[in-house]
Amino acid sequence: LAKTTQPISMDSYEGQEVNITCSHNNIATNDYITWYQQFPSQGPRFIIQGYKTKVTNEVASLFIPADRKSSTLSLPRVSLSDTAVYYCLVGDFGSNDYKLSFGAGTTVTVRA
Amino acid sequence: GAGVSQSPSNKVTEKGKDVELRCDPISGHTALYWYRQRLGQGLEFLIYFQGNSAPDKSGLPSDRFSAERTGESVSTLTIQRTQQEDSAVYLCASSGPPLGALDTQYFGPGTRLTVL
Repeated sequence: LAKTTQPISMDSYEGQEVNITCSHNNIATNDYITWYQQFPSQGPRFIIQGYKTKVTNEVASLFIPADRKSSTLSLPRVSLSDTAVYYCLVGDFGSNDYKLSFGAGTTVTVRA
Repeated sequence: GAGVSQSPSNKVTEKGKDVELRCDPISGHTALYWYRQRLGQGLEFLIYFQGNSAPDKSGLPSDRFSAERTGESVSTLTIQRTQQEDSAVYLCASSGPPLGALDTQYFGPGTRLTVL
């Protein structure tokens, strides 16, 4: 599994855009990038997944540069309820690469 | 079911006792995963089932930990002779038949284990 590095914490205010960058320098050709969100006292929840360029859904956008050595999760106009831990994972989910390593994630705190 | 369920939601036990944690995955999901999350930390992979088989048990922290799955459905994680360092939230996740890169894991709410 490709090792990922992301900031430990980020603070923001309601209505702002939050961008979390994850580094994955040794990403493999078949690897995809996936982000999960975990609220206190809950299990993680899938947010978004991508391979290259940009992916957008109703929750977030994922930007992946051409070299794929990093990715940025963008949360538009955050609210207090977006306070959570965000995990970046890289892996070839089409293989038996099931040992997902969630790491410590990035704790995002949104303030009023 | 509609989602992954786990029971009990909370378990307090005394050091040295055995505990069983149960996971009911989403119906039809062939893959099932167990993770451990200590307070303020990320998730630690424990074991993975494909159907009723666990191809790799190397994530289990010691031989006091074991898991089984029956009927390609319910899974039980058993911890024998619990120790205080076993205190954590134990999370279960399931995913459908391999969909290539779109194999999303769906997590249950976890079981919070406290060993006194």
